[in-house]
Amino acid sequence: ETGVTQSPTHLIKTRGQQVTLRCSSQSGHNTVSWYQQALGQGPQFIFQYYREEENGRGNFPPRFSGLQFPNYSSELNVNALELDDSALYLCASTPKGRLGKGEQYFGPGTRLTVT
Amino acid sequence: QQQVKQSPQSLIVQKGGISIINCAYENTAFDYFPWYQQFPGKGPALLIAIRPDVSEKKEGRFTISFNKSAKQFSLHIMDSQPGDSATYFCAATDNTDKLIFGTGTRLQVFP
Repeated sequence: ETGVTQSPTHLIKTRGQQVTLRCSSQSGHNTVSWYQQALGQGPQFIFQYYREEENGRGNFPPRFSGLQFPNYSSELNVNALELDDSALYLCASTPKGRLGKGEQYFGPGTRLTVT
Repeated sequence: QQQVKQSPQSLIVQKGGISIINCAYENTAFDYFPWYQQFPGKGPALLIAIRPDVSEKKEGRFTISFNKSAKQFSLHIMDSQPGDSATYFCAATDNTDKLIFGTGTRLQVFP
């Protein structure tokens, strides 16, 4: 069984640029959630995607947007990058039938550095 | 009300000892309380989780104790090993699936 995978592993961008991060959910999972983890802190919920629609959002500005595709994979897009966006971006997937039960399995993350 | 408070920030334990990490929450709507283990440069791995209808759950060397009235829960790692050295996060959520994480505990187990 393949776990959650994310790409790229590392990324360096300049302030003001745009970035797209990708996530493939674990086999048998159909919901994807994205989290931002700043250095030395716990992950913070950005948003969740279910049936290709946003299904809940945390306290992040609209320049953070996402997509989910029919194969349940997902993208996180961040526009107008700011220095504070430097963080580890984590994708987590939820097994089919377990939406709303809290169970989430995380990928290895994408380390984004904004200079 | 959405916060999950975690302590201690760091913990040093000798091999074979018991590691204890505590968390407290305010939101009574929370109904799922997982613990995650995270190694440097890796994503959090689900270790063990509990729902409020039980007061304790044990999986191998890992035990969650849950006190619903006090709104507290804790992770106990028995017979701690050097390979357990990692950062541990408690979390909580309700039916929105929005996991609220604690601030993390860095555990170091020395031989």
